[in-house]
Amino acid sequence: EIVLTQSPGTLSLSPGERATLSCRASQSVSSSYLAWYQQKPGQAPRLLIYGASSRATGIPDRFSGSGSGTDFTLTISRLEPEDFAVYYCQQYGSSLRTFGQGTKLEIK
Amino acid sequence: EVQLVESGGGLVQPGRSLRLSCTASGFTFGDYAMGWFRQAPGKGLEWVGFIRSKAYGGTTEYAASVEGRFTISRDDSKSIAYLQMNSLKTEDTAVYYCTRDRRVSYYYYYMDVWGKGTTVTVSS
Repeated sequence: EIVLTQSPGTLSLSPGERATLSCRASQSVSSSYLAWYQQKPGQAPRLLIYGASSRATGIPDRFSGSGSGTDFTLTISRLEPEDFAVYYCQQYGSSLRTFGQGTKLEIK
Repeated sequence: EVQLVESGGGLVQPGRSLRLSCTASGFTFGDYAMGWFRQAPGKGLEWVGFIRSKAYGGTTEYAASVEGRFTISRDDSKSIAYLQMNSLKTEDTAVYYCTRDRRVSYYYYYMDVWGKGTTVTVSS
């Protein structure tokens, strides 16, 4: 099982600031099969990034993903009020899909 | 608009069964794999399993935690995916989400559309 560890657990920032979220895998993620999801309270997750760096349909370009192997990053260039949520990374490069524990992005 | 709507959740006693449904609209259901995920109260996301499209055999894969107890099936004529849950345990209590799964290979899929979820509570 590939274990994903996200850091930090909580990130406190202000609107307009840049957010950098990290996801580290316990072993190399095949073909960069890594996705990022955003989840707001009481809502379903929403796909932001797949293939480590490809934005999903309708996702603003302030969201970007990077990385390969075991280290991946989600960057939000300029935070908007609606971006404050929990973010999960998830790998789909093995038969058992696993998620990180989440990073809560909160308003400072 | 692409949409997934789960139904069938509720309160059930340990050891009993429950069947969840996921009704899809806005896309050609039969062309896609469909998955199920769950999120226990205050916890993270857990993959439950998925079913491939008929073009790829309509075969299923499951997480070890539900293998042998849960069964995923599909009815392409109705655009519905099902999650049959047997021998339920208290630890199966969660919000259950249905997903549309995008194929990158026979084994590997990511989820590009999620339903809003349905709550299952297993308690005596």
